[in-house]
Amino acid sequence: GENVEQHPSTLSVQEGDSAVIKCTYSDSASNYFPWYKQELGKGPQLIIDIRSNVGEKKDQRIAVTLNKTAKHFSLHITETQPEDSAVYFCAASRSSNDYKLSFGAGTTVTVRA
Amino acid sequence: NAGVTQTPKFQVLKTGQSMTLQCAQDMNHNSMYWYRQDPGMGLRLIYYSASEGTTDKGEVPNGYNVSRLNKREFSLRLESAAPSQTSVYFCASSGRDSGYGYTFGSGTRLTVV
Repeated sequence: GENVEQHPSTLSVQEGDSAVIKCTYSDSASNYFPWYKQELGKGPQLIIDIRSNVGEKKDQRIAVTLNKTAKHFSLHITETQPEDSAVYFCAASRSSNDYKLSFGAGTTVTVRA
Repeated sequence: NAGVTQTPKFQVLKTGQSMTLQCAQDMNHNSMYWYRQDPGMGLRLIYYSASEGTTDKGEVPNGYNVSRLNKREFSLRLESAAPSQTSVYFCASSGRDSGYGYTFGSGTRLTVV
């Protein structure tokens, strides 16, 4: 099955700085890569996703990049704000496998004021 | 719209007791999932239902059963709870209209003593 590794496990950044989270996946057939944000006591919420036919996608202060050859993808958050503090999960799936998501272990991001 | 609704939010069971976690979605999604979340391990798939009338095992199905009651509802049953099943359980749904991105419920925190 798919194995997704996520680094770092914790990340502390100064408000206004950028944060980068990296993930690798093992299944070369994976073609869908979402990122989820989980705030304390809540369920994960989809913040951005990318498909294998695209190398980069942006949505305001967040962006995701995908390198299919190296089988890794990254989340970039610019101009971090205190409300960006949360746990972030990457995931991977493929359409031929009912889009079942395999998740990374998560990154706890703390934005220092 | 309520999205994905899970009940109960909290539950304490004694070892050997049984219970059913309920999940309902109002987005007309075909696919529904049950995940468990444990510290440092991300989210692991227990069971999923790709469409009404079908269910399949995920990564960690032992000790659980599921029922896709109709298109809206997908329940998870613990027949004889064990301390190793202490976890936070999340239900999610996805469909073509959401690009197969998951919508998660708010979770059930289960403690087995």
